[in-house]
Amino acid sequence: GESVGLHLPTLSVQEGDNSIINCAYSNSASDYFIWYKQESGKGPQFIIDIRSNMDKRQGQRVTVLLNKTVKHLSLQIAATQPGDSAVYFCAETKTGNQFYFGTGTSLTVIP
Amino acid sequence: EPEVTQTPSHQVTQMGQEVILRCVPISNHLYFYWYRQILGQKVEFLVSFYNNEISEKSEIFDDQFSVERPDGSNFTLKIRSTKLEDSAMYFCASNLDRNTEAFFGQGTRLTVV
Repeated sequence: GESVGLHLPTLSVQEGDNSIINCAYSNSASDYFIWYKQESGKGPQFIIDIRSNMDKRQGQRVTVLLNKTVKHLSLQIAATQPGDSAVYFCAETKTGNQFYFGTGTSLTVIP
Repeated sequence: EPEVTQTPSHQVTQMGQEVILRCVPISNHLYFYWYRQILGQKVEFLVSFYNNEISEKSEIFDDQFSVERPDGSNFTLKIRSTKLEDSAMYFCASNLDRNTEAFFGQGTRLTVV
């Protein structure tokens, strides 16, 4: 079956620095990807998405990069703030009926 | 801002008992989902629901599980005879269309004792 995994389970950054969170996916047929942020005790919160016909998408302080050749997804957070501390999941889907989530990366922002 | 709401926030039940987890998806959304997250693990898909029927389900979603949309606003997950390993956070999600952003609720923490 499909699997989505994250390279780094934990990441600590200084406030104001940029963060990069990586994700590898195994289903080359996946065509839609989402990054979610999950704070303790809360549900996943949408950050940004990207479709397979794109390789880069920018939001407010966040950028998602998609490399289909190596099946790699990354989330870049600019000027990381303490409020960015959370677990970040990538999720992929082909059919749209279900998303496959990665195991998550815990981001800690050091003030 | 519209949001997915789930009740209760925490449910404790004895093994073998039935539980019903409730969700109110965003009102104009058409696709509904249940996911679960065992403590410290990743979010796992359970079931998707569209047009009053299940469109896809995972291996986890066995005969002990069922979903229902009893009216125009609620979407429920029933576990008929809970097991200890059913203890997890259960998240409801909805979206307007497939392959679009799915909005998640805050979750129900189910504890089976």
